[in-house]
Amino acid sequence: RKEVEQDPGPFNVPEGATVAFNCTYSNSASQSFFWYRQDCRKEPKLLMSVYSSGNEDGRFTAQLNRASQYISLLIRDSKLSDSATYLCVVNNPYSSASKIIFGSGTRLSIRP
Amino acid sequence: DTEVTQTPKHLVMGMTNKKSLKCEQHMGHRAMYWYKQKAKKPPELMFVYSYEKLSINESVPSRFSPECPNSSLLNLHLHALQPEDSALYLCASSQASPRDGYTFGSGTRLTVV
Repeated sequence: RKEVEQDPGPFNVPEGATVAFNCTYSNSASQSFFWYRQDCRKEPKLLMSVYSSGNEDGRFTAQLNRASQYISLLIRDSKLSDSATYLCVVNNPYSSASKIIFGSGTRLSIRP
Repeated sequence: DTEVTQTPKHLVMGMTNKKSLKCEQHMGHRAMYWYKQKAKKPPELMFVYSYEKLSINESVPSRFSPECPNSSLLNLHLHALQPEDSALYLCASSQASPRDGYTFGSGTRLTVV
């Protein structure tokens, strides 16, 4: 089983739709959780951290379920500019440092 | 503008060449990372430096040699690479306890010929 698993998509949805991604992680000791966005041939950029209480940033809502070991990202009123690959990232403690594990990414394409 | 600066942005090198990738951050982060990313794949961790000491080496071949001269700089020395090493090499940095996420540089796109 992969440490972090995501549905690779692609998700192809019309502008204005609501879309949700899930991500599961295998290590119950995982400490921090993030969603990153990566555009084609660009570096990953932090979209939002994911907190136990859930958090919202504009049209984006992230949730963490520690009991079931999954995190989710909800995008409301999707825009053309939301087209990208969304990477689920989990931080695991590892001796003297920490190690971040990327999911394989979910490709999202918003059509006019 | 990214707060993690990588140079060069593009590099073409032969299999007998020696080259270095450079990464610099001035955010006071104490952890720095090298990742390798192939097309349509997620980034794969190569090395982690924590407080300027190598903490994690993900069984990377010795033709890749990392170096952390100080808390702001991270280098990746390349020697005798293979064509399959062609990829996007990403540097990232974070606080020692990365609750606020990781900041990535824009990467060096490496082609080995």
